[in-house]
Amino acid sequence: ILNVEQSPQSLHVQEGDSTNFTCSFPSSNFYALHWYRWETAKSPEALFVMTLNGDEKKKGRISATLNTKEGYSYLYIKGSQPEDSATYLCARTDPYNQGGKLIFGQGTELSVKP
Amino acid sequence: GAVVSQHPSWVICKSGTSVKIECRSLDFQATTMFWYRQFPKQSLMLMATSNEGSKATYEQGVEKDKFLINHASLTLSTLTVTSAHPEDSSFYICSAQGYGYTFGSGTRLTVV
Repeated sequence: ILNVEQSPQSLHVQEGDSTNFTCSFPSSNFYALHWYRWETAKSPEALFVMTLNGDEKKKGRISATLNTKEGYSYLYIKGSQPEDSATYLCARTDPYNQGGKLIFGQGTELSVKP
Repeated sequence: GAVVSQHPSWVICKSGTSVKIECRSLDFQATTMFWYRQFPKQSLMLMATSNEGSKATYEQGVEKDKFLINHASLTLSTLTVTSAHPEDSSFYICSAQGYGYTFGSGTRLTVV
């Protein structure tokens, strides 16, 4: 089983706070790591796909880093806004089915209060 | 951008009946469709993978006769939950592989 673990499970912050969450995964046979943002009643929205150790990606106030050797990725949100409230999912591409299925963590539910 | 339309968004059905869930790729051709299921407090778990024109591949523990998947065209895939029971109550979501992975918005199934 190629478990993907996310922490914390939920997070409540005030508007303007910066925050970060963790995604942990087995470091062996790594292929790619995906981050999604999922608002209630909407489709998960792709944020980043990361493949190389040391990768850093940024999209507006959101950024992510990847460490494939130790098996973790961090997602950072700078100056959180209420519209950032969502569940953030990370997923690992199955190394034995590299064009195929994703193995998801349970998600981190972020709530940003005005 | 790529859009996958999933319907219905929620459905309540009686135990023993069948329910069909549709996923359509609106502006691209989805050669592969993934179907996931999510129980409360758990992660999205892959149920099956379907490729247009061929039989679906089911994950271990998923009954292929209960969860019928049809992917007859490059823009439409359906999941039919046959003889639904309360334990099938869950959140079902599709993901089309075309431009990366594009998800539908999910279907909340409640079997009473």
